[in-house]
Amino acid sequence: SQKIEQNSEALNIQEGKTATLTCNYTNYSPAYLQWYRQDPGRGPVFLLLIRENEKEKRKERLKVTFDTTLKQSLFHITASQPADSATYLCALVVPASGGSYIPTFGRGTSLIVHP
Amino acid sequence: DVKVTQSSRYLVKRTGEKVFLECVQDMDHENMFWYRQDPGLGLRLIYFSYDVKMKEKGDIPEGYSVSREKKERFSLILESASTNQTSMYLCASNERDVVREQYFGPGTRLTVT
Repeated sequence: SQKIEQNSEALNIQEGKTATLTCNYTNYSPAYLQWYRQDPGRGPVFLLLIRENEKEKRKERLKVTFDTTLKQSLFHITASQPADSATYLCALVVPASGGSYIPTFGRGTSLIVHP
Repeated sequence: DVKVTQSSRYLVKRTGEKVFLECVQDMDHENMFWYRQDPGLGLRLIYFSYDVKMKEKGDIPEGYSVSREKKERFSLILESASTNQTSMYLCASNERDVVREQYFGPGTRLTVT
C-alpha cells in the first residue's frame, strides 16, 4: 500500500542550529512534493513546492531536497528560531479526477526549537 | 488576502444528529477539499470537489456526504453523527489544472457526545 513516513518523534534542537526533517515514501511516483507548516489548533500553511526534476529548492532560511531514487525529501531550516517550533507536514502530489492534483499528507513531525 | 472560512471553530453535537459543516473560499478556486485530522493519523481526505456539483470520494468517505451547489461553498454533512467522528475537520481549496498550494481554513473541532 502507499505510504508516507515522517518521524513521529519530536525533533528538539537548540536555537541557531539547522533543523533537518525527513519524508520517506513508498509505492508513489509523485511528480511534486510540498511542505506545510501547522501550528496547534490551526490549518496547515504552505511553505514550498518541489518538482521531481528539481534536486533542491530554497526560500529564505528553508531548503528542500527531493531524491526520487531514494524516495526521500529532506526539509532544512537554517539558523532556527523558537518561532519555527511547529509541526511540519510533507505532501506528495499526484494527478486525480477532473484535472486536479491531490496532495496526500504524511503525519507530520513536530519541531521544537529551544532558546 | 486569500481566505478560506469555516462556519464554526467548535461544535458539540449528540450521537445521531445530522451535522452540517460549511466552508467558503473567496479565491475563485475550482477545487475544494474536506479533511479530518486526528492525533497519530494525520490529515485524511474525506471528499473533494473539482467543480460545482462534482464530488469525488477520498480515503475515508464512509459516514459523510458533501454538497457543492456554488463554486465558493463546499459543505460536509454527517448524516447521523457518531462518537468516532469526533475530530478536527479542515477545509481547503486550490486551483485546478495546475499544481498549487492548498489554502486551509482554521478548522472546526467537532465533538460528538
